[in-house]
Amino acid sequence: EIVLTQSPGTLSLSPGERATLSCRASQSVSSTYLAWHQQKPGQPPRLLIYGASSRATGIPDRFTGSGSGTDFTLTISRLEPEDFAVYYCHQYGASSTFGGGTRVEIK
Amino acid sequence: EVQLVESGGGLVKPGGSLRLSCAASGFTFSSYTMNWVRQAPGKGLEWVSSISSSGSYIYYADSVKGRFSISRDNARDSLHLQLNSLKADDTAVYYCARVGFHYDSSAYYYFDYWGQGTLVTVSS
Repeated sequence: EIVLTQSPGTLSLSPGERATLSCRASQSVSSTYLAWHQQKPGQPPRLLIYGASSRATGIPDRFTGSGSGTDFTLTISRLEPEDFAVYYCHQYGASSTFGGGTRVEIK
Repeated sequence: EVQLVESGGGLVKPGGSLRLSCAASGFTFSSYTMNWVRQAPGKGLEWVSSISSSGSYIYYADSVKGRFSISRDNARDSLHLQLNSLKADDTAVYYCARVGFHYDSSAYYYFDYWGQGTLVTVSS
């Protein structure tokens, strides 16, 4: 089973700042199967990025995904108030796995 | 508009059973692999089970193997999860999620739509 480790666990930032979230896999993951989801309290997850770097429909361009192999990154260039949430990386497979999540909170 | 609506959650005693359903609309259900994902209170996401579009391929997380059973009814656009021998650790919101796909020079797969979830509470 592929284990995804996200860091940091919590990121405390102010609106307008840049957020950099990391997702490290225990073994190489195909980029085409790596996605990022955003979840706000009381809501289901929402797809942000698929294929490691492609934005889902309607996702603003301040969200950028990058990486390959075992190291992937989600960058939010300038945090908007609605971006404070929990972010999960996800690798798709016969047995999918999720990272433990990174909470982006208002400093 | 793609919609996934879960139902069937509730309070059940340890050792009990429950059947969850996910009603799909707004897309050709029979063309898509579907999944169940759960989230314990205050915790992260945990993949539970997957079923291919035809129902031929089924996978389970080790934590539920032998206790949970996934199925689908393509004629009724519905997905199901039978939960047996429930434990307190199974307490969670259960989401159904669709597997989206995209092909260009490579094949891309990802969970593109999620339902709102249904809460299962296992407690005496």
